Amino acid sequence: NAGVTQTPKFRVLKTGQSMTLLCAQDMNHEYMYWYRQDPGMGLRLIHYSVGEGTTAKGEVPDGYNVSRLKKQNFLLGLESAAPSQTSVYFCASSPRAGAPYEQYFGPGTRLTVT
Amino acid sequence: AQSVTQLDSHVSVSEGTPVLLRCNYSSSYSPSLFWYVQHPNKGLQLLLKYTSAATLVKGINGFEAEFKKSETSFHLTKPSAHMSDAAEYFCVVHSNFGNEKLTFGTGTRLTIIP
Repeated sequence: NAGVTQTPKFRVLKTGQSMTLLCAQDMNHEYMYWYRQDPGMGLRLIHYSVGEGTTAKGEVPDGYNVSRLKKQNFLLGLESAAPSQTSVYFCASSPRAGAPYEQYFGPGTRLTVT
Repeated sequence: AQSVTQLDSHVSVSEGTPVLLRCNYSSSYSPSLFWYVQHPNKGLQLLLKYTSAATLVKGINGFEAEFKKSETSFHLTKPSAHMSDAAEYFCVVHSNFGNEKLTFGTGTRLTIIP
C-alpha cells in the first residue's frame, strides 16, 4: 500500500494563478483532511471530508476550495493564489469519525506564491 | 473547546541522555492525545496515542508519554536519545464529542548533540 500520496511535491505560482493539489489514499478511509503548516503555527485545518461527495470547512478555509468526487481522492484548489498561501500543505486520512483513530499523513506539497 | 500548548519550541540534548518534551492540553471533554513526529521534509508519523486506557503510553522508537489529568499534561519522554530522534514533535488533542478534528500544538524541534 502506498498510503497517502500527494501531487505535486513542489510548486511555484505567481499571484493570481490557480492550481489544484491532489491527495490520494489507498486505505479505504472515510475521512480526509487538508492542512497547511506554517513556521511556528503547527498544522491548521483548511477543509475536510467525511465521505465521498461531502466537504466541510476547517479553521482556515478562505481562498481554498475542495472536492471529494471519489472516496480515494481529495482535491484542494486555489482559484487565485496569494503570497499568504505560501505554505506546506499536508493531506491526511482516517478510518472513521467519532473515535480517536489517528490520521495518516501524506509527504506534503511545498507551495510558493510570488 | 480544545487547545494544546507545547512549552518548549526547541530542545537540545546530548546523544544518550534523556529526552523530555512538554505538552499541556485543555479540553471540555475527555480527550484523546497524540504525539506525532516529523522528520525534515517528511510527513507526520504517529508516535503514540492516549485513549483513556492506561495512563502510561508506550510508542515507537522507545518513546513513551504519561497522561496526568490533574496536571492536564501529556509529556513525551525517552530514556536515551539517538541521533535519529532529531525531528519536530507535535502534541495533538482530539476531543471525544462528535468532533473528528485534531488540534495541533506549535511543535518542539529536538536537536541531538553528538
